[in-house]
Amino acid sequence: AQSVTQLDSHVSVSEGTPVLLRCNYSSSYSPSLFWYVQHPNKGLQLLLKYTSAATLVKGINGFEAEFKKSETSFHLTKPSAHMSDAAEYFCVVRLDTGGFKTIFGAGTRLFVKA
Amino acid sequence: DTGVSQDPRHKITKRGQNVTFRCDPISEHNRLYWYRQTLGQGPEFLTYFQNEAQLEKSRLLSDRFSAERPKGSFSTLEIQRTEQGDSAMYLCASRADSSGANVLTFGAGSRLTVL
Repeated sequence: AQSVTQLDSHVSVSEGTPVLLRCNYSSSYSPSLFWYVQHPNKGLQLLLKYTSAATLVKGINGFEAEFKKSETSFHLTKPSAHMSDAAEYFCVVRLDTGGFKTIFGAGTRLFVKA
Repeated sequence: DTGVSQDPRHKITKRGQNVTFRCDPISEHNRLYWYRQTLGQGPEFLTYFQNEAQLEKSRLLSDRFSAERPKGSFSTLEIQRTEQGDSAMYLCASRADSSGANVLTFGAGSRLTVL
């Protein structure tokens, strides 16, 4: 079975402090992993993707994620949060068995306090 | 705008009515996906087209749901005899065959409220 688990439904940080959004996956195949962000009333936007190249992936807006096979994790981080980072973040796993097998996590809502 | 367009953005309907949503993908994208997102959940896969062919349908897509992509360009998602449980955001996404990492580009979604 393939699944993705986002360990926190809500994360609250102060502006200027680090962000950590946690994601664990399970997959029988070599996965491709993604983080998407969803701002209110806007479409899902790709932040970054891992496709078996470098394990540390850099994305847009200062976000990065590290693929750790031994821990089956793909946590999203950012050194310093900005107010504009407040949004819903989705960890996504794509199975290498077909173009439609893209599974979303339940999402983590990030709150950024001034 | 060269992104994925969805119409309407919001639809309020009474239970039992039919509704139709339209998705215009990025023009060079031959793959098109429909997802449903309910409050507090991640998007759930509904169906998928490669050009005009509907290649996969989720069990979530009951007989009341039908999706088409007649010319391999825009797609429609119709819900017949709507129920309150159909209230959700319906998301369309597209990608090109050359996007080996399955990078989906999403539209802003069509929010359905069934009263």
